[in-house]
Amino acid sequence: DVKVTQSSRYLVKRTGEKVFLECVQDMDHENMFWYRQDPGLGLRLIYFSYDVKMKEKGDIPEGYSVSREKKERFSLILESASTNQTSMYLCASSPGPSYNEQFFGPGTRLTVL
Amino acid sequence: AQSVAQPEDQVNVAEGNPLTVKCTYSVSGNPYLFWYVQYPNRGLQFLLKYITGDNLVKGSYGFEAEFNKSQTSFHLKKPSALVSDSALYFCAVRDSGNTGRRALTFGSGTRLQVQP
Repeated sequence: DVKVTQSSRYLVKRTGEKVFLECVQDMDHENMFWYRQDPGLGLRLIYFSYDVKMKEKGDIPEGYSVSREKKERFSLILESASTNQTSMYLCASSPGPSYNEQFFGPGTRLTVL
Repeated sequence: AQSVAQPEDQVNVAEGNPLTVKCTYSVSGNPYLFWYVQYPNRGLQFLLKYITGDNLVKGSYGFEAEFNKSQTSFHLKKPSALVSDSALYFCAVRDSGNTGRRALTFGSGTRLQVQP
């Protein structure tokens, strides 16, 4: 079974802190994704990566950056956390062609105080 | 640009009755269409997808979906609902063409409530 793990289930940070969310997949997938999920808004794509060191902006990249130094790991960075970044963050991965389904991690619920 | 709409925030159905969760999409070319389910405090799980071919797609847990190109719809269906089907359901789309966005666009989600 494909396994996508996220470093924390729950995280509480203070405004202005730098926050790292880590995601690891164990199936050698080319593509990795970061979404945020908010009630009534569904999933919104923050960034995705289709290869090591490659990234593309999604719908809401402002205030976020990403890093993919190794194929299995995709990190989301909040450079200076703000209260409007309080949300559920979901990581996903998928194998190469775009008709393949994505596999999701359990999510990290981030609260910024 | 690609987009997807789930017009119902919530669908209520009695156990044993058929259920439908609606989804419409917009792409410039041909679509790849997906349904995912999210149980409480869990990540999303893949249910089924339409790539090409037969318009009726069968997936996990007895769910199926019908692709209708003329109506640009991909409604999720199940002949007999179970209480355990209560969850949040997401439709997603990607344009199959090589130009444009590589990633999926998700709908806002529909909460399915199955009453015993």
